[in-house]
Amino acid sequence: GAGVSQSPSNKVTEKGKDVELRCDPISGHTALYWYRQSLGQGLEFLIYFQGNSAPDKSGLPSDRFSAERTGGSVSTLTIQRTQQEDSAVYLCASSWGLNNEQFFGPGTRLTVL
Amino acid sequence: DQQVKQNSPSLSVQEGRISILNCDYTNSMFDYFLWYKKYPAEGPTFLISISSIKDKNEDGRFTVFLNKSAKHLSLHIVPSQPGDSAVYFCAADDTSGTYKYIFGTGTRLKVLA
Repeated sequence: GAGVSQSPSNKVTEKGKDVELRCDPISGHTALYWYRQSLGQGLEFLIYFQGNSAPDKSGLPSDRFSAERTGGSVSTLTIQRTQQEDSAVYLCASSWGLNNEQFFGPGTRLTVL
Repeated sequence: DQQVKQNSPSLSVQEGRISILNCDYTNSMFDYFLWYKKYPAEGPTFLISISSIKDKNEDGRFTVFLNKSAKHLSLHIVPSQPGDSAVYFCAADDTSGTYKYIFGTGTRLKVLA
């Protein structure tokens, strides 16, 4: 079956603009995670959704970052008023539930000029 | 504050020899560890995991060793193959109950033919 997909694969934006990154998890996966990998850094947890529970937003670096998951499936990560330090690869992952292997998408490379 | 550390950014190994990738962690509460492999322009893919109740887990050419007293784990690949060339991430399961993974910065393995 199809894996996790993300769009766009690449996004170049100007500082101060808003961006939206999309993630389509594997069908039936109840848990969805967002991570980012900045240059020279490991993957950094941002936020996760599990079923209908309130999302864990503990990893979001600032209030410019938000995410939603509609209908328990597709998720959108929004970054408002982008800054150059937001440049990174943003990865989405999904799993059957908590404590299960996470399957990653190919990522969105965000470049803020 | 990096809770999961991979101190070797890169490693080169001759085909057929053993590759040993190392990972150290600081949080003694971590109880589940994973290795992910990442090819360029793709998301990380799960490779192997180990629970803290074990000290070794083997899957084909891949073996993960866990030394809890030293807070150290290692991934052994034997024999190494050119297709193993990738970036390898060590990850630990945050035991706060949210199952978000904390990743190391990765080690780039190059297997020379």
